[in-house]
Amino acid sequence: NAGVTQTPKFQVLKTGQSMTLQCAQDMNHNSMYWYRQDPGMGLRLIYYSASEGTTDKGEVPNGYNVSRLNKREFSLRLESAAPSQTSVYFCASSSVSAGELFFGEGSRLTVL
Amino acid sequence: KQEVTQIPAALSVPEGENLVLNCSFTDSAIYNLQWFRQDPGKGLTSLLLIQSSQREQTSGRLNASLDKSSGRSTLYIAASQPGDSATYLCAVDGTYKYIFGTGTRLKVLA
Repeated sequence: NAGVTQTPKFQVLKTGQSMTLQCAQDMNHNSMYWYRQDPGMGLRLIYYSASEGTTDKGEVPNGYNVSRLNKREFSLRLESAAPSQTSVYFCASSSVSAGELFFGEGSRLTVL
Repeated sequence: KQEVTQIPAALSVPEGENLVLNCSFTDSAIYNLQWFRQDPGKGLTSLLLIQSSQREQTSGRLNASLDKSSGRSTLYIAASQPGDSATYLCAVDGTYKYIFGTGTRLKVLA
């Protein structure tokens, strides 16, 4: 089993460019999440999807949009990247909203 | 707003020591608490999940306890090994989402 797969693993953008981070899980989980991790700040929730067809804002949603494409896939889009969005992004999933979390390996994004 | 604190932020111990990592949270109305391990440049690996109705969970040399009323959890690592060196994070789940602490960076010296 692949678990949670994120693409790309590394990306460098210029300020103002857009991009989409892709996430897919093969565990038939209902809930999916996007976190960002910054030094000294820990992991902060950007958006989550408690079930297919629903999405909600987390702690730091500004500058991001998400799409729950189907049960397996949850994408994160940066419409106009800013240097403050330089971070490591993690996708996670759980069978239910209060269930055990499983993480992808992360996507390291640098915005110049 | 739920806040999660982990103390100490960093810890260095000689191999073989038993050690305790602490996690505290401000809102006791949680469903689950989960402990993770993160190696440098890697993702998070789940270690233990404690559901709200449970008081502790064990896996090998790891034991995690949960005291909801006092807003605390501890992760006990027995007979530490250099391979245990990593950052350990706890996360609490309230409503639909987990909130993370900033972690304890552990180094076990050979």
